[in-house]
Amino acid sequence: SQQGEEDPQALSIQEGENATMNCSYKTSINNLQWYRQNSGRGLVHLILIRSNEREKHSGRLRVTLDTSKKSSSLLITASRAADTASYFCATDFKAAGNKLTFGGGTRVLVKP
Amino acid sequence: ETGVTQSPTHLIKTRGQQVTLRCSSQSGHNTVSWYQQALGQGPQFIFQYYREEENGRGNFPPRFSGLQFPNYSSELNVNALELDDSALYLCASSRYNTDTQYFGPGTRLTVL
Repeated sequence: SQQGEEDPQALSIQEGENATMNCSYKTSINNLQWYRQNSGRGLVHLILIRSNEREKHSGRLRVTLDTSKKSSSLLITASRAADTASYFCATDFKAAGNKLTFGGGTRVLVKP
Repeated sequence: ETGVTQSPTHLIKTRGQQVTLRCSSQSGHNTVSWYQQALGQGPQFIFQYYREEENGRGNFPPRFSGLQFPNYSSELNVNALELDDSALYLCASSRYNTDTQYFGPGTRLTVL
């Protein structure tokens, strides 16, 4: 399967702590994207990192990409209760052409 | 808000029936992709439409079909519903061959 795999499957932290989740994939990609989903609703695009990039920042989010290891990580710093959600990585494989393949997601609970 | 709308929000059908789900894309977007998300899993790519033609398909049987209209809105049709078709159906719009897809809020389909 080309599906990305995420770990951990679930994460529980206190408000103010950092949350880190990881994504691994199997074949060459054009880019990797992270999405957030609240309570089974629509997906919100967080950040996109291209295959020739190694790190990107957006506000409290930091994403890294290691194409040699075929893995990415998403770090949320200074977490808030509002960050409670499921987070998914999605890969745009080179053979696919903008058809996203999602991982199983990491469910993050931020306790106040 | 992404500007992508979906209708209906919720739908209950019985096994063997047919269903049509609708999606209006964000202004300026000419490509629509459909995804199926089973409970507790990541979304799976169903198919993509561009210029009213199917432009790629995931591992879904032919009873899943779609349409795209000249205004770029789209429909997903599922015939002969099965219990396993119960899921959240997400559509996403984008400009052709650009990286970021913008998701609608989804339609929750329950098959009894």
